[in-house]
Amino acid sequence: AQKVTQAQTEISVVEKEDVTLDCVYETRDTTYYLFWYKQPPSGELVFLIRRNSFDEQNEISGRYPWNFQKSTSSFNFTITASQVVDSAVYFCALSEAENYGQNFVFGPGTRLSVLP
Amino acid sequence: ETGVTQSPTHLIKTRGQQVTLRCSSQSGHNTVSWYQQALGQGPQFIFQYYREEENGRGNFPPRFSGLQFPNYSSELNVNALELDDSALYLCASSFFQGPNEETQYFGPGTRLLVL
Repeated sequence: AQKVTQAQTEISVVEKEDVTLDCVYETRDTTYYLFWYKQPPSGELVFLIRRNSFDEQNEISGRYPWNFQKSTSSFNFTITASQVVDSAVYFCALSEAENYGQNFVFGPGTRLSVLP
Repeated sequence: ETGVTQSPTHLIKTRGQQVTLRCSSQSGHNTVSWYQQALGQGPQFIFQYYREEENGRGNFPPRFSGLQFPNYSSELNVNALELDDSALYLCASSFFQGPNEETQYFGPGTRLLVL
């Protein structure tokens, strides 16, 4: 069975700090897709990042660098130079490739507060 | 602005009643998914429709049903409402060309309260 764990329930940082959001997942499938979504107070989920399990190249530049480690089943991403508008709940999600889109599994979310 | 709209924004029903929630997808999107998000939790996948046929279903009972129409709109119907059905219901639309290209666009949700 698939499972996504986000151990950080709430994080507070001061504006301009970098913050890393952690995600650990479980799946029996060898091919799968991982996602990060942002949910601001308005309620809409906003797509941020998608990675395929067969591509372990990590993004190290840009505002949202990520770190995908298949060996430890982790998919962490960083918000660099955080801004107040980044305050939201962030969800990590998993979809197995064989039944892609038929069973997205979301983690419980991490609430990020960026203070001015 | 994702181009996905949902109606109504808020709804109050009593236990045992039936409810229909609506979603209007982006033009050309052939896939719509519905999610239930209880307060303080992550979304849970209900089901997905692809070209008007159910394409997958999460762990929800048959009293949750859906329809997708050719005009890029869809419905989620819930019969015999229970108190635990109180949640934010999100729809997401996409144009499925393969998992490497698909991006889901979410609507703002319908908040349902069952009394």
